[in-house]
Amino acid sequence: SQQGEEDPQALSIQEGENATMNCSYKTSINNLQWYRQNSGRGLVHLILIRSNEREKHSGRLRVTLDTSKKSSSLLITASRAADTASYFCATDARTGANNLFFGTGTRLTVIP
Amino acid sequence: DTAVSQTPKYLVTQMGNDKSIKCEQNLGHDTMYWYKQDSKKFLKIMFSYNNKELIINETVPNRFSPKSPDKAHLNLHINSLELGDSAVYFCASSQGQGRGYTFGSGTRLTVV
Repeated sequence: SQQGEEDPQALSIQEGENATMNCSYKTSINNLQWYRQNSGRGLVHLILIRSNEREKHSGRLRVTLDTSKKSSSLLITASRAADTASYFCATDARTGANNLFFGTGTRLTVIP
Repeated sequence: DTAVSQTPKYLVTQMGNDKSIKCEQNLGHDTMYWYKQDSKKFLKIMFSYNNKELIINETVPNRFSPKSPDKAHLNLHINSLELGDSAVYFCASSQGQGRGYTFGSGTRLTVV
């Protein structure tokens, strides 16, 4: 299976703290993406990191990628209550198609 | 608004019925997808389709079939609905390899 796994499954932090979520995957990839899903809503694309990149930033988000370990991390700094959501990593497979395979998700709760 | 829109948002139906979920994107994207999200939030790709190629996840029962009247639409037809088909179905689109997806808001299907 090309499915990834996020760790932890659930994370609860106080507002203002940093949140770190990890993702492991199994196959070689072209890129890895992170998505957010608020309860009852669709997924929203956050950031994409290519296999030849090691780190990428977007606002309060920092993503790292270690292709030798087949793992990625998403760091959200200075968390806010509005960051409460499920976060998914997704990987493509080097098949030529842009089909994404999603991890199991981390449920983040930011307590005001 | 530029978006991926899918209808209906909720669908409750009896076992054995045939139903359709519609999806439209006005983003000019080349590829559209259908994903199924189960009660544990596990996202599984069902189909991807562009004007050249339909890729079907081999685990998807042939009761499910995508229909694309044009590049902006990818509808999902489900025949002989079963209890296990209950889930949230998401449509998405992307502009090719190495690009993020834009998701619709989902259709919650309940089979009774």
